[in-house]
Amino acid sequence: SQTIHQWPATLVQPVGSPLSLECTVEGTSNPNLYWYRQAAGRGLQLLFYSVGIGQISSEVPQNLSASRPQDRQFILSSKKLLLSDSGFYLCAWSGRGRRDTEAFFGQGTRLTVV
Amino acid sequence: AQSVTQLDSQVPVFEEAPVELRCNYSSSVSVYLFWYVQYPNQGLQLLLKYLSGSTLVESINGFEAEFNKSQTSFHLRKPSVHISDTAEYFCAVSLYNFNKFYFGSGTKLNVKP
Repeated sequence: SQTIHQWPATLVQPVGSPLSLECTVEGTSNPNLYWYRQAAGRGLQLLFYSVGIGQISSEVPQNLSASRPQDRQFILSSKKLLLSDSGFYLCAWSGRGRRDTEAFFGQGTRLTVV
Repeated sequence: AQSVTQLDSQVPVFEEAPVELRCNYSSSVSVYLFWYVQYPNQGLQLLLKYLSGSTLVESINGFEAEFNKSQTSFHLRKPSVHISDTAEYFCAVSLYNFNKFYFGSGTKLNVKP
């Protein structure tokens, strides 16, 4: 069966520090991968999605970047965190087949920038 | 462009009462529709989805949603809620070809005893 791992679960970082959140998927190949941010009262905002290694699409301009160095690995990064980067970050994957119609989510990372 | 609107940010309801969580969407292309549930500090879990066929879809825990193409709605209903249904519910759409998922702002369902 497929599983998705996201870590760390919680993170407190000072303003101006770098960020690296990692997400890996097991039990499937060539998935679509996504990073979402959930801010209080604002629902889920799609940040990045990837359809293959090295292929990243950004949905909104921001202080963050994403990379996909391996087929089932998706990394969210920042060189210098801002206070406004605080939030709950969710990684997700979906399949490519005609029957693969839903997204599966990791458990999320609670990031607090102080 | 696609967008999803959840009209109610919070819905308080007493246990065993019926509930409806509203969702409207807009899209220039055909979409799939979903409802996800999120418990505190956890990821999202799929509750139910509409792909095609019967416009009424059901989940295993008593929720149902009806796709209404003319009103571009996909409201979620349950005839009798339980305390354990307390969570945040998200409506979402995805595009047929690209599998990009767009979510509404969420509705917090608070079931009171």
